[in-house]
Amino acid sequence: DTEVTQTPKHLVMGMTNKKSLKCEQHMGHRAMYWYKQKAKKPPELMFVYSYEKLSINESVPSRFSPECPNSSLLNLHLHALQPEDSALYLCASSMTVRFTEAFFGQGTRLTVV
Amino acid sequence: TQLLEQSPQFLSIQEGENLTVYCNSSSVFSSLQWYRQEPGEGPVLLVTVVTGGEVKKLKRLTFQFGDARKDSSLHITAAQPGDTGLYLCAGARGGGNKLTFGTGTQLKVEL
Repeated sequence: DTEVTQTPKHLVMGMTNKKSLKCEQHMGHRAMYWYKQKAKKPPELMFVYSYEKLSINESVPSRFSPECPNSSLLNLHLHALQPEDSALYLCASSMTVRFTEAFFGQGTRLTVV
Repeated sequence: TQLLEQSPQFLSIQEGENLTVYCNSSSVFSSLQWYRQEPGEGPVLLVTVVTGGEVKKLKRLTFQFGDARKDSSLHITAAQPGDTGLYLCAGARGGGNKLTFGTGTQLKVEL
């Protein structure tokens, strides 16, 4: 199983809503990542988890709150987002943070209205 | 500051043509990866190069890492419509833990 599964695939939310993005992998990887990607642009790193602990936060606004409940799951909790936060949100995993070959999920297309 | 610059930014070619995409930086990377991304999907890893001067082949795709580990190229022979997508290089520095993505090359191969 070399898949990273993200749900939902599409999400439309209002600026006052609270929603969560979910990511799951069963490859035994101990590093998991959240990226944000705008149209026609490369992915931008948001968060890195290493052995279920947050190791990198790329100065992401607090309206994005990551959570790693266990080694297979990664969540991104969303609250009070702005329309400019609309983007493709990608989850990725790698064996550890020292092995940067990353497997990406299909992404969640988020639209904030 | 974008550490990895890709060229060209856009490329539209006919089926059967050859092409080369470049990924350049002033920084040294311990490893460099190439990904392809199709619309609405996540990037898919194509290859990782780690040694200066290394050349890897994946069917019609040839990847090269520069001797100084600052640049890389991707050459596609006899391009096919299925090669269409966004090609991204990504570099890791030092002890890893963070990939820096290149600016991307959007390739379109037409019949």
